[in-house]
Amino acid sequence: AQRVTQPEKLLSVFKGAPVELKCNYSYSGSPELFWYVQYSRQRLQLLLRHISRESIKGFTADLNKGETSFHLKKPFAQEEDSAMYYCALSTIYNQGGKLIFGQGTELSVKP
Amino acid sequence: DGGITQSPKYLFRKEGQNVTLSCEQNLNHDAMYWYRQDPGQGLRLIYYSQIVNDFQKGDIAEGYSVSREKKESFPLTVTSAQKNPTAFYLCASSISRYDGYTFGSGTRLTVV
Repeated sequence: AQRVTQPEKLLSVFKGAPVELKCNYSYSGSPELFWYVQYSRQRLQLLLRHISRESIKGFTADLNKGETSFHLKKPFAQEEDSAMYYCALSTIYNQGGKLIFGQGTELSVKP
Repeated sequence: DGGITQSPKYLFRKEGQNVTLSCEQNLNHDAMYWYRQDPGQGLRLIYYSQIVNDFQKGDIAEGYSVSREKKESFPLTVTSAQKNPTAFYLCASSISRYDGYTFGSGTRLTVV
């Protein structure tokens, strides 16, 4: 079965420190992977997609098919990065383009 | 201003009642989804619809029902059969599986 695992419920770092939010998926084919972010009192929004290979708000994520991972990284965390982050997977076998979400990681950036 | 509108923002329900959560989009997206968000459990799919007059059960459809009579609208009814309805409900829409979802702002349902 396809699955997304985010092993850390809570990640706490100091401002200016590097941050890496882990995401592992189970799927043997070519996945579509996404990171979503939910800031306090705001709606869930798309942060980045692996297919576009973009960097948003200083975050990047590289798809590693060998390790089936799509970790989210930022070299210098800012306090405004504090939020809930979800990794999500879509495959050709997911009817209707539905996404499978991980359990989420809460990032807390301390001053 | 294109997007997805969910209403109401907060909803209180007495035990034994059915309630309907509204979701409307003006993005011209074909696919729409309902998820339930609980702390520590991520987002779990309730129902989804790829096209008008068609919808499919997700992973936790029991106790819920939907309709898709118009492209813009995908209301969710939480029935009295849902054993643990208190949760945050999110509606989303998508144009393709490569583009990801656009989410609404959610409805928080509390059973009193």
